[in-house]
Amino acid sequence: AQSVTQPDIHITVSEGASLELRCNYSYGATPYLFWYVQSPGQGLQLLLKYFSGDTLVQGIKGFEAEFKRSQSSFNLRKPSVHWSDAAEYFCAGGGTSYGKLTFGQGTILTVHP
Amino acid sequence: GAVVSQHPSRVICKSGTSVKIECRSLDFQATTMFWYRQFPKQSLMLMATSNEGSKATYEQGVEKDKFLINHASLTLSTLTVTSAHPEDSSFYICSAPTSAQETQYFGPGTRLLVL
Repeated sequence: AQSVTQPDIHITVSEGASLELRCNYSYGATPYLFWYVQSPGQGLQLLLKYFSGDTLVQGIKGFEAEFKRSQSSFNLRKPSVHWSDAAEYFCAGGGTSYGKLTFGQGTILTVHP
Repeated sequence: GAVVSQHPSRVICKSGTSVKIECRSLDFQATTMFWYRQFPKQSLMLMATSNEGSKATYEQGVEKDKFLINHASLTLSTLTVTSAHPEDSSFYICSAPTSAQETQYFGPGTRLLVL
């Protein structure tokens, strides 16, 4: 069965520190992979997506993610976290770029000043 | 980017009543929309795929008679929770994909509380 796993439920970092959120997938073929951010009262906002090609993907708000087939991972990174990055982050996978998605459990990010 | 709206944003109802949630694509047409449910501290789970002009496709374990979906136009899908019970209390989110942009947009969600 297709699945997306985010091992970390909650991560706390200091403002200015680097960030890495983990995501692992299990699919029969390489899925389309996405990272979304959800702030309270807001809808899901797409940070970045990977379909094929360059395994390092740049997104909005200074985020990037690296696709590693050997590790079945698609980890999200940011070199310097801002307080406004505090939110819940979801990794998701799908069979197409705009079809139904399977979401990971989500990682809540807390940023300390 | 494109905008997807949901109405209402929050609804409280009594057990046994029905609640209708609307999902609209504001500046693009969507022949398909997706409905997700998110329980507190849990991830989004796909409930059903709403297809314009045809029946919705439900995921395993989702009762189609309880969660009625109507996709009457290219910009509107509705989810009706019939005879709602407290266990239906959740956050319902819709999404609308655009094949032209090869992506999809999510609504802000509707929080349902059934007393």
